[in-house]
Amino acid sequence: SQKIEQNSEALNIQEGKTATLTCNYTNYSPAYLQWYRQDPGRGPVFLLLIRENEKEKRKERLKVTFDTTLKQSLFHITASQPADSATYLCALDPFGGYALNFGKGTSLLVTP
Amino acid sequence: EAGVVQSPRYKIIEKKQPVAFWCNPISGHNTLYWYLQNLGQGPELLIRYENEEAVDDSQLPKDRFSAERLKGVDSTLKIQPAELGDSAVYLCASSLGAGGSGANVLTFGAGSRLTVL
Repeated sequence: SQKIEQNSEALNIQEGKTATLTCNYTNYSPAYLQWYRQDPGRGPVFLLLIRENEKEKRKERLKVTFDTTLKQSLFHITASQPADSATYLCALDPFGGYALNFGKGTSLLVTP
Repeated sequence: EAGVVQSPRYKIIEKKQPVAFWCNPISGHNTLYWYLQNLGQGPELLIRYENEEAVDDSQLPKDRFSAERLKGVDSTLKIQPAELGDSAVYLCASSLGAGGSGANVLTFGAGSRLTVL
């Protein structure tokens, strides 16, 4: 069956450090992979999308890598800030252009 | 531009009672989704609409859940009767469209939190 696995334990880091979150998947051949941020009591918000033919994508302090051989994506937040504290969700579209399947998410806490 | 609007934000009901959630997607978004999110879990798809047609409802528990999107714009998700296990957040999302090689980015509403007592 298809699975999307994210770090189950919360990630606690100090302000200014780089946070790295992992998303592993099985039984998918995705055309692209997405990352969303979710704050408590709110819906997920889209952050970044990376296509299968792209190795890396950047947006301000965010960087995503996508290794289709390893079936893994890494999500990096550089120079992290307390405002980055949230849950980050990895999402895959199994068929291209259809509904997204989400991982459980990884909770990130950035402390001053 | 208004985002995806959901109501009510919170609902507390007794088990076996009915409940309904409403969603108004972003204007021009043809695709509408209802997701279920349990505490500590990621969103799980319940149903997807392309305009007024439900094109994927395989995960919708049809014995008690129903949904409609009559004019291809706003949508209602209903549970009747509600069970204790239905306590969760019900998220609505919309996107410009699906299919082809285009990426499908979802815009979510804030969600409707249901508590069944």
